[in-house]
Amino acid sequence: AQSVTQLGSHVSVSEGALVLLRCNYSSSVPPYLFWYVQYPNQGLQLLLKYTTGATLVKGINGFEAEFKKSETSFHLTKPSAHMSDAAEYFCAVSGGFKTIFGAGTRLFVKA
Amino acid sequence: EPEVTQTPSHQVTQMGQEVILRCVPISNHLYFYWYRQILGQKVEFLVSFYNNEISEKSEIFDDQFSVERPDGSNFTLKIRSTKLEDSAMYFCASSESSLNNEQFFGPGTRLTVL
Repeated sequence: AQSVTQLGSHVSVSEGALVLLRCNYSSSVPPYLFWYVQYPNQGLQLLLKYTTGATLVKGINGFEAEFKKSETSFHLTKPSAHMSDAAEYFCAVSGGFKTIFGAGTRLFVKA
Repeated sequence: EPEVTQTPSHQVTQMGQEVILRCVPISNHLYFYWYRQILGQKVEFLVSFYNNEISEKSEIFDDQFSVERPDGSNFTLKIRSTKLEDSAMYFCASSESSLNNEQFFGPGTRLTVL
């Protein structure tokens, strides 16, 4: 069985500050891991994904995530937050025919 | 860039009525999915579909739900007799394969059951 835990339902940062959104996963098979972003009243947009290979994955909008097998983590970071980054972020794990999403973390960016 | 489309964007229905939510997946994709998101909650898997049959379904996907690929382009989700708790955003997704399972999501249909 697979599961995802996102630590912190809300994260607030100042514009220009580091963004860190935490995600831990559980998987009985080598996981495929994803981060999605959802802006208000919109669908899900893929930020980045880890399947195999390099453990540091770069995505769109300056985001990156590092797969750490020993810690079963896949935290999302961005060096400098922008106002436009304010959104809901979902970590997800997949295997087989479905994707399991975490509960989401809402990111607030203060001016 | 190809994208998944969904219609309608918003559907309002009375409790007990049947609704059909429509999706057009990306044309060369072979795997199709439905998810739902109740307001303020996480995205939940409903069902996956491949080769004209259900590959996997969750416990949410009970006998009230069905999926169909009626032609070469559409993928539909039918709710036979809607309940108040079916009110949610429903997302369709498609993927080229199940191996790395990068799913491309549509914009969603907001279903409101009165």
